[in-house]
Amino acid sequence: GDSVTQMEGPVTLSEEAFLTINCTYTATGYPSLFWYVQYPGEGLQLLLKATKADDKGSNKGFEATYRKETTSFHLEKGSVQVSDSAVYFCALSDPQSSGGAQKLVFGQGTRLTINP
Amino acid sequence: NAGVMQNPRHLVRRRGQEARLRCSPMKGHSHVYWYRQLPEEGLKFMVYLQKENIIDESGMPKERFSAEFPKEGPSILRIQQVVRGDSAAYFCASSPSESSYNSPLHFGNGTRLTVT
Repeated sequence: GDSVTQMEGPVTLSEEAFLTINCTYTATGYPSLFWYVQYPGEGLQLLLKATKADDKGSNKGFEATYRKETTSFHLEKGSVQVSDSAVYFCALSDPQSSGGAQKLVFGQGTRLTINP
Repeated sequence: NAGVMQNPRHLVRRRGQEARLRCSPMKGHSHVYWYRQLPEEGLKFMVYLQKENIIDESGMPKERFSAEFPKEGPSILRIQQVVRGDSAAYFCASSPSESSYNSPLHFGNGTRLTVT
């Protein structure tokens, strides 16, 4: 079945450091890929997405490129801020297994803490 | 607030009691999804509903769990005879009827169920 594997956390960085959170996937079909962010006590919010190979999703300084050859969708940010502290989830939606529905398959999440 | 509304935010139940979780989708959205997040894990799909119909319940435990989305009113996730293993955060998400597998979901803030 479909699966998503994320870099284990927690990750602790200093403000203005470079961030990479690795994400790889396996899928039956040709999935769309997403990064969601969960701030403390809140639900998930979409951070960015990509729907086909070589697409780059970007938002709030975060970027991720859909790499079909390596089945990866790594999240990057050049200079993190304290306000970026949250849990980040990589997810996929596979048309072959979802039947057209938005059944997301999530990674386990990576907790990020940014220190001032 | 036009977002996905879930209530209650926190719910404490003793073993053997019933838990009822409510979700009002975003205005104009007719598709509802329920996901469960166990501690330190990613979200797992439970059920997908449209008004008065269960479309996909492949992620629902076979016993004690049920969901509905009536013509009027919120979607309800019902857990009968709760056990400690049901303790988790339950998230509802919604999408409009014209969405597809690569459209993002809009999540509520979740209901955190604790079974004592």
